[in-house]
Amino acid sequence: DSGVTQTPKHLITATGQRVTLRCSPRSGDLSVYWYQQSLDQGLQFLIQYYNGEERAKGNILERFSAQQFPDLHSELNLSSLELGDSALYFCASSVGGGGGEKLFFGSGTQLSVL
Amino acid sequence: EDQVTQSPEALRLQEGESSSLNCSYTVSGLRGLFWYRQDPGKGPEFLFTLYSAGEEKEKERLKATLTKKESFLHITAPKPEDSATYLCAVQAPTGGFKTIFGAGTRLFVKA
Repeated sequence: DSGVTQTPKHLITATGQRVTLRCSPRSGDLSVYWYQQSLDQGLQFLIQYYNGEERAKGNILERFSAQQFPDLHSELNLSSLELGDSALYFCASSVGGGGGEKLFFGSGTQLSVL
Repeated sequence: EDQVTQSPEALRLQEGESSSLNCSYTVSGLRGLFWYRQDPGKGPEFLFTLYSAGEEKEKERLKATLTKKESFLHITAPKPEDSATYLCAVQAPTGGFKTIFGAGTRLFVKA
């Protein structure tokens, strides 16, 4: 158990809908990262938050947004969902926000858009 | 642009048959090269961090090495439980220390 909690584990929804994925980092970790993993794309970095502030941005679509709350949990919001958004979404956390740190991953949320 | 390329895409070994996985990277200002193991349906699990060329790390049957352009994950006398996808990742200061992953090598070890 990595100590990173993601909910829900599975999510099935329809095109055009909006969903929210939730992540609680390990106790004491200040950074939260979101990744998308699909069969043909591998693990794609979406966004990083450090202590409530956006720290780094990857290939995150404009339809997607995220935030980190004062208690350090994070939410990833996906709107106007398309079939291609179906993927495994991982949250990871680390102690700080700088370089050289290993990431601890949650077990992921499997999103299916029908 | 920072890039990570892993080879081979898949590797099938007999139990006890040693081999190596390759990770080639292009990054400015490497802050760390990481190896993770991922089992089906689970999140990646950290194995090693390497920071500079010439560094080596070992854990049980796994040994990771780093040069200025690539890293190798050597697997000695693998067992079926070593079957998993092995991911290589690099971290650089470009755009805020994001960790970029390679596509992974799927390892199958047959008893």
